[in-house]
Amino acid sequence: SQQGEEDPQALSIQEGENATMNCSYKTSINNLQWYRQNSGRGLVHLILIRSNEREKHSGRLRVTLDTSKKSSSLLITASRAADTASYFCATVDANSGYALNFGKGTSLLVTP
Amino acid sequence: DTGVSQDPRHKITKRGQNVTFRCDPISEHNRLYWYRQTLGQGPEFLTYFQNEAQLEKSRLLSDRFSAERPKGSFSTLEIQRTEQGDSAMYLCASNNFFSPDNEQFFGPGTRLTVL
Repeated sequence: SQQGEEDPQALSIQEGENATMNCSYKTSINNLQWYRQNSGRGLVHLILIRSNEREKHSGRLRVTLDTSKKSSSLLITASRAADTASYFCATVDANSGYALNFGKGTSLLVTP
Repeated sequence: DTGVSQDPRHKITKRGQNVTFRCDPISEHNRLYWYRQTLGQGPEFLTYFQNEAQLEKSRLLSDRFSAERPKGSFSTLEIQRTEQGDSAMYLCASNNFFSPDNEQFFGPGTRLTVL
């Protein structure tokens, strides 16, 4: 079953703009992870935020987590055409501790 | 570190045929996961191994699906009597039991098309 749900489903911006995508989840978590998937390829881990953290940065990425609202956001600043991909949030169920539960993803298109 | 590899990358088969996919995890990783991803959806967990033990298989989609990891290294996923609804990308991931956050490393996937 899909745990996380990303919003929006699709996002189109121009190079240099910021892209923000949101994720909601349902159950208690130990951490929340964001992955990127280029068209027809495997997933690449981007960033992880633990349940006791509220914000985390990595390069041009900024992730926030609000456990009271069961939501997270991923901000990509100064976007580039190479950022064009699908972005997924994933949670590790606190009970099972192994399976990643993914949302449907946000499809980001960055045009030059 | 050569990453997770999967073979084949693409498989086209006729309905009713059996197919088998292989996954080679990162060498020092003792946990291996299989996921299925259909068009427009996120990956869906199927099963996972710790070394050679299959610790979770209740999420395999039907009894036509089976997975093995006989020596605790590579794994195979078999689908018997394929159906058109089995068409999807099958992803393999691995990590280490000692990975505290369960970050998983994914292979490129095997895209299955059932005609």
